[in-house]
Amino acid sequence: EDKVVQSPLSLVVHEGDTVTLNCSYEVTNFRSLLWYKQEKKAPTFLFMLTSSGIEKKSGRLSSILDKKELFSILNITATQTGDSAIYLCAVGGTGTASKLTFGTGTRLQVTL
Amino acid sequence: DGGITQSPKYLFRKEGQNVTLSCEQNLNHDAMYWYRQDPGQGLRLIYYSQIVNDFQKGDIAEGYSVSREKKESFPLTVTSAQKNPTAFYLCASTPGRGSGQHFGDGTRLSIL
Repeated sequence: EDKVVQSPLSLVVHEGDTVTLNCSYEVTNFRSLLWYKQEKKAPTFLFMLTSSGIEKKSGRLSSILDKKELFSILNITATQTGDSAIYLCAVGGTGTASKLTFGTGTRLQVTL
Repeated sequence: DGGITQSPKYLFRKEGQNVTLSCEQNLNHDAMYWYRQDPGQGLRLIYYSQIVNDFQKGDIAEGYSVSREKKESFPLTVTSAQKNPTAFYLCASTPGRGSGQHFGDGTRLSIL
């Protein structure tokens, strides 16, 4: 059974801090790992990672995958209050018809 | 604008009642998914469909039913057999394997 574990479960930081969110996984025939940001409603897509060691960046957010150690990290630099959300990690396998297995998420709160 | 529309946003169910949640997409995506999200938990897959007139059970299908008569529509029925239906329900779609999933804004279901 595919499994995704995220840590920490929740995090409170001050505006301007840098945070690192962790995602470890076990999946049969790994295809991709995805990060989503969920505020009040729909999760919004952040990154899809398929290859080890290649950092993906979007503004203050970046993510990298380690397929040997089976984990990914999501970094957010110079955090802002608008970064407050639940960050979800999901993995998909090649034989599972685009099914994703989600972790429980990390709840990030950025305070002034 | 292309996207996924879920309705209603809020739904209340009486004991012993079946209710149907709507999910419509105009993205021309082949695959559609239903997830359930409970507080403190990640998304859990209820049902998914890769093509019209075909669907498969996810991890928590008991007490739910779906249909896929049209490519753009994937309604979910929460039956009276689902004893703990209170949750946030998310519908998603994807164009195919290896692509990220796009989500609707969700339906919040509560028991009266």
